[in-house]
Amino acid sequence: AQSVTQPDIHITVSEGASLELRCNYSYGATPYLFWYVQSPGQGLQLLLKYFSGDTLVQGIKGFEAEFKRSQSSFNLRKPSVHWSDAAEYFCAVGRIAGGTSYGKLTFGQGTILTVHP
Amino acid sequence: SAVISQKPSRDICQRGTSLTIQCQVDSQVTMMFWYRQQPGQSLTLIATANQGSEATYESGFVIDKFPISRPNLTFSTLTVSNMSPEDSSIYLCSGANPGLPGLSTDTQYFGPGTRLTVL
Repeated sequence: AQSVTQPDIHITVSEGASLELRCNYSYGATPYLFWYVQSPGQGLQLLLKYFSGDTLVQGIKGFEAEFKRSQSSFNLRKPSVHWSDAAEYFCAVGRIAGGTSYGKLTFGQGTILTVHP
Repeated sequence: SAVISQKPSRDICQRGTSLTIQCQVDSQVTMMFWYRQQPGQSLTLIATANQGSEATYESGFVIDKFPISRPNLTFSTLTVSNMSPEDSSIYLCSGANPGLPGLSTDTQYFGPGTRLTVL
């Protein structure tokens, strides 16, 4: 069964500082990996995704993530955090084409990001 | 990308009643899903809404409690039946078009969610 672990429940950074949110996954095949962001009272917005190819993927709002197969990780990074980045971030893994679980996403527990001025 | 809307955005309901949540997509999508996000928790998949056939439910979720309809490729409903306070959650729908040329493969787009409080 697929699973996702986000080890950090809550992270606090100062505005302008760099950010790294950790995500580890367990999956029996090549995973599809996603990062979503959820602002208070909002739905989920896709930040970026990895399907194949270049292991460093760029997303919206200046975010990037690196897929490391050897470490089963897909950490999210941003070089300089803005106050508007304060939100909850979810890592998710999904299945590639085929099989009964096709298209389903398994989410991590989420990491709440607080940004200090 | 698909734009997904949900109605209602929030509701407060009495124990024992039922609520139907609507999910509308601005374009045809092959797959639609319903998720539950309990307070302070992550998202848990309830079921896959299949057009023209019965929904496929995940372990721990049953049709009698969460009946789902999907009459076409742009619309689905989720009913939360015989509600109890434990059903207080945010319910989100999502849509995806996996594997179709020219579209974002396997990317799920989410609605804004329906915040349900059961008293």
